[in-house]
Amino acid sequence: GQQLNQSPQSMFIQEGEDVSMNCTSSSIFNTWLWYKQEPGEGPVLLIALYKAGELTSNGRLTAQFGITRKDSFLNISASIPSDVGIYFCAGPRRGNDMRFGAGTRLTVKP
Amino acid sequence: GAGVSQTPSNKVTEKGKYVELRCDPISGHTALYWYRQSLGQGPEFLIYFQGTGAADDSGLPNDRFFAVRPEGSVSTLKIQRTERGDSAVYLCASSFGPSYEQYFGPGTRLTVT
Repeated sequence: GQQLNQSPQSMFIQEGEDVSMNCTSSSIFNTWLWYKQEPGEGPVLLIALYKAGELTSNGRLTAQFGITRKDSFLNISASIPSDVGIYFCAGPRRGNDMRFGAGTRLTVKP
Repeated sequence: GAGVSQTPSNKVTEKGKYVELRCDPISGHTALYWYRQSLGQGPEFLIYFQGTGAADDSGLPNDRFFAVRPEGSVSTLKIQRTERGDSAVYLCASSFGPSYEQYFGPGTRLTVT
């Protein structure tokens, strides 16, 4: 099926460090989205990517839509404690049936 | 605030009972989605409404699960004869028209004992 594999599963970093995570699939996706979820909350959309090769930034976050359309990357620069949370990649299977990865859990030590 | 709201925030029920989970989407959003999130996993799509009709219910796991949106706004997810495996956080999201850019509520944590 169209599973999304996220790595790493978890990251423990020092405040101020840059972070990189990625998402891969065996199937092609035409849209990639990155969400962040904090405890007790629903996911919040960070970045949406619609074109292969697209590089999009949102503040300290930058995401790229891989050229093969089978992967995407999210980078966070100069991490701060409020970056803590679980980051999910997602893509539509068909129509509005959204598939999510299992998430990358980020911990930032002050 | 004017975000997506879900009630109750927590629901504990006994195996075999019936439960209803409610979602109030953002005002003016015509599309509404239900997802289920198990511990350590990402959300899993259940059903999508465009207006009052279920445009895609392919994610509902079996016929014990049913959802309605009679007036095109509030939606109720109904689970009959609950099983322990139904325990999860049920998330609702809405968007202005069918869109991948969905706004999620905080979820209802369902525990079946």
